[in-house]
Amino acid sequence: QLQVVESGGGVVQPGESLRLSCAASGFTLSTSGMHWVRQAPGKGLEWVAFMRSDESHKSYAASVQGRFSLSRDTSKNTLYVQMNSLQSEDTAVYYCAKDTMDAFNIWGQGTMVTVSS
Amino acid sequence: QSALTQPASVSGSPGQSITISCTGTSSDIGTYDYVSWYQQHPGKVPKLIIFDVNKRPSGVSDRFSGFKSGNTASLTISSLHPDDEADYFCNSYRRSSTWVFGGGTKLTVL
Repeated sequence: QLQVVESGGGVVQPGESLRLSCAASGFTLSTSGMHWVRQAPGKGLEWVAFMRSDESHKSYAASVQGRFSLSRDTSKNTLYVQMNSLQSEDTAVYYCAKDTMDAFNIWGQGTMVTVSS
Repeated sequence: QSALTQPASVSGSPGQSITISCTGTSSDIGTYDYVSWYQQHPGKVPKLIIFDVNKRPSGVSDRFSGFKSGNTASLTISSLHPDDEADYFCNSYRRSSTWVFGGGTKLTVL
């Protein structure tokens, strides 16, 4: 069964950093592109970032460019997003999603990030 | 990065059909056939219901269908069921490995 599980969310102050994890099972990250998508409380979905299956390409939304960074640990089959200089506007549930045909096919349950002083 | 434009809400009665529009630009919907749609019930995880404009993942009801013309995509739900009441989001690929979502449409089944 294909599955992704996010972790690492929490409450941080503005300007602080946080690293989220996305552990995949049932498939290997080296064979699939992966996305991060977020949803602020009561709001819509926002695409955040993408890593190609071979790690050759990483892309970011303008709202997080320069502050968020993707990485991967193949041995743990886990994707990470390092989030720096967090702002209140980054408060959201962060979902990891498997890419299939340029769509978001498999979603995790999400992890909540709250940026507040 | 402007979001795709969706109506804030639509409604219909059980058994009826409704259509949700999703308007983009020539930089996304107008150029790429990578339009997808997601259903999200309150407090739940989004679920993929349409990809590549008009394809359904295995297990998704054929009451859901997608279409695209120019810069606008649409999702039609036929024979509305009470359980179809949810938020619906469109998404499109937008050059250079970036994607964009619509603002979402709340479907009310009367």
